[in-house]
Amino acid sequence: GQQLNQSPQSMFIQEGEDVSMNCTSSSIFNTWLWYKQDPGEGPVLLIALYKAGELTSNGRLTAQFGITRKDSFLNISASIPSDVGIYFCAGRTLGTGTASKLTFGTGTRLQVTL
Amino acid sequence: NAGVMQNPRHLVRRRGQEARLRCSPMKGHSHVYWYRQLPEEGLKFMVYLQKENIIDESGMPKERFSAEFPKEGPSILRIQQVVRGDSAAYFCASSPAGGNEQFFGPGTRLTVL
Repeated sequence: GQQLNQSPQSMFIQEGEDVSMNCTSSSIFNTWLWYKQDPGEGPVLLIALYKAGELTSNGRLTAQFGITRKDSFLNISASIPSDVGIYFCAGRTLGTGTASKLTFGTGTRLQVTL
Repeated sequence: NAGVMQNPRHLVRRRGQEARLRCSPMKGHSHVYWYRQLPEEGLKFMVYLQKENIIDESGMPKERFSAEFPKEGPSILRIQQVVRGDSAAYFCASSPAGGNEQFFGPGTRLTVL
């Protein structure tokens, strides 16, 4: 089956630093989504990417859809304490029906220190 | 516009009992997805439903688990004769027809004693 590997698994950074994380797949996806999950809550959609090479921003967040369609990157600039949480990438293949499900990555746990 | 609603938020069952988890999609969304998350892991797809139809149940265990999304009312994920290994967080997501983005509810945390 499809597997998504995220790295790093966890990171401790200082407030104000920039953060980079990535997600790689063994197969091609046509849509990449990035979610953030706080403890005890459901994932919240941050950014959606639909085209290879696409670079999309949402405030301090920037994500890119890799050219090979097998990877994606998420960057957070000038981190703040509320950025703490687990970040998940998710991939979706093209089409409807059985292609609609999301395959999730293993997660990157971010901790921000003052 | 209310988001995806799930209830209960927490559910405790003894081994052998039944668990029923409910999900109401966002207004205007006709597609519902169920995922399971074990501690320290990502979400794993279970089942994808449209109104009165199961589209993809490739992630559902073959026994004891079932799901429905009736014409009226919420989607239900039903686990019969629960075992300790069923303890997990179960998330529901919804999307509009043809939508690529899925929006998640707050989850139901099932604990089997």
